Amino acid sequence: GAVVSQHPSRVICKSGTSVKIECRSLDFQATTMFWYRQFPKQSLMLMATSNEGSKATYEQGVEKDKFLINHASLTLSTLTVTSAHPEDSSFYICSALRTDILYEQYFGPGTRLTVT
Amino acid sequence: DAKTTQPPSMDCAEGRAANLPCNHSTISGNEYVYWYRQIHSQGPQYIIHGLKNNETNEMASLIITEDRKSSTLILPHATLRDTAVYYCIVTMNTGNQFYFGTGTSLTVIP
Repeated sequence: GAVVSQHPSRVICKSGTSVKIECRSLDFQATTMFWYRQFPKQSLMLMATSNEGSKATYEQGVEKDKFLINHASLTLSTLTVTSAHPEDSSFYICSALRTDILYEQYFGPGTRLTVT
Repeated sequence: DAKTTQPPSMDCAEGRAANLPCNHSTISGNEYVYWYRQIHSQGPQYIIHGLKNNETNEMASLIITEDRKSSTLILPHATLRDTAVYYCIVTMNTGNQFYFGTGTSLTVIP
């Protein structure tokens, strides 16, 4: 199946700093990618839809100035958590939408963010 | 918001069929039913999806009722590696925003 990677897999940062997470589709082009957040023992929550070459669409309640999304190419989207605080500690997962064969979302392995 | 309801947990004996139900009574005519699963601390894995007809692939079968208000994912011969949280998602094919519900935590018992 199609492969989506995320980097880093784990990151620990201090409160007040910014962290960038990369999401790459390795063997297909994705004009649309999605970012999710998952807290322990909870389901995935859609944060935003990232479209190549245009601004991301954020879900209600997600601060666009805090979670900066850039989708600069057909294989790369980045999520930057700005001025991170301990409550931002979570599992961040991206997915890429493959449309050349079937409309299927392929998920990355996730990034565990811990803010101290 | 998620448009699906699933039982929170289920057990299944290894080697037996696992039947995971999902209710989606407000599904509209152009919405698909997708199934994904998530093994602990990993990204979700695609299993299968369908619109109206029953579907089968190498992983599972998807049975959709005639009124499309519910569906069942069938893992024909469950193994220990099938222990995971299974999510049923209803979405339009284009755009594909996924709003995950709480899913069903399936435990396969030796």
